[in-house]
Amino acid sequence: GAGVSQSPSNKVTEKGKDVELRCDPISGHTALYWYRQSLGQGLEFLIYFQGNSAPDKSGLPSDRFSAERTGGSVSTLTIQRTQQEDSAVYLCASSLGLTKGPQYFGPGTRLTVL
Amino acid sequence: DQQVKQNSPSLSVQEGRISILNCDYTNSMFDYFLWYKKYPAEGPTFLISISSIKDKNEDGRFTVFLNKSAKHLSLHIVPSQPGDSAVYFCAADLTGNTPLVFGKGTRLSVIA
Repeated sequence: GAGVSQSPSNKVTEKGKDVELRCDPISGHTALYWYRQSLGQGLEFLIYFQGNSAPDKSGLPSDRFSAERTGGSVSTLTIQRTQQEDSAVYLCASSLGLTKGPQYFGPGTRLTVL
Repeated sequence: DQQVKQNSPSLSVQEGRISILNCDYTNSMFDYFLWYKKYPAEGPTFLISISSIKDKNEDGRFTVFLNKSAKHLSLHIVPSQPGDSAVYFCAADLTGNTPLVFGKGTRLSVIA
């Protein structure tokens, strides 16, 4: 079946502009995660959605970052007033959310803030 | 402070030999561990996992070993193939279906 998809694959923006990144999880997966990977670093957790529960936002680096998940499926990560340090690959993952199991990742969105 | 550490940023192995990638963790509450492989410009691909109730899990050429007392796990790839060349990430989970904590990765190069 279809895996996790993300769009756009690449985004170049100017400092101060807002950007929206989209994630379509695997059908039937109730858990959805956003991570980012900066150059030479591991994956850093940003935000986590599980079913209808309130999201875990503990990884968001500042209040310029927000995310929503509509209808328990598609998620949008929004970064307002982008800064150069926001440049990274933003990765979305989903999992069944019922029992312990792997998270499956999308291809990522490479964000470059000039 | 990093809770999951991959101390070797890179590793080179000859084709056909064994590749051993290592990972250490500090939080004894982690109870589920995973290895992911990542090619450039792609998302991480799940390889293999292990629960803390086990000390070994095998899937084809890939075997993961867990030593809870040492807070150490390793991934063995036998035999190594050129297509295995990628960055390998170790990840740990506290309770299942919570955000994973990742190491910084080890770049494996398998030389033909």
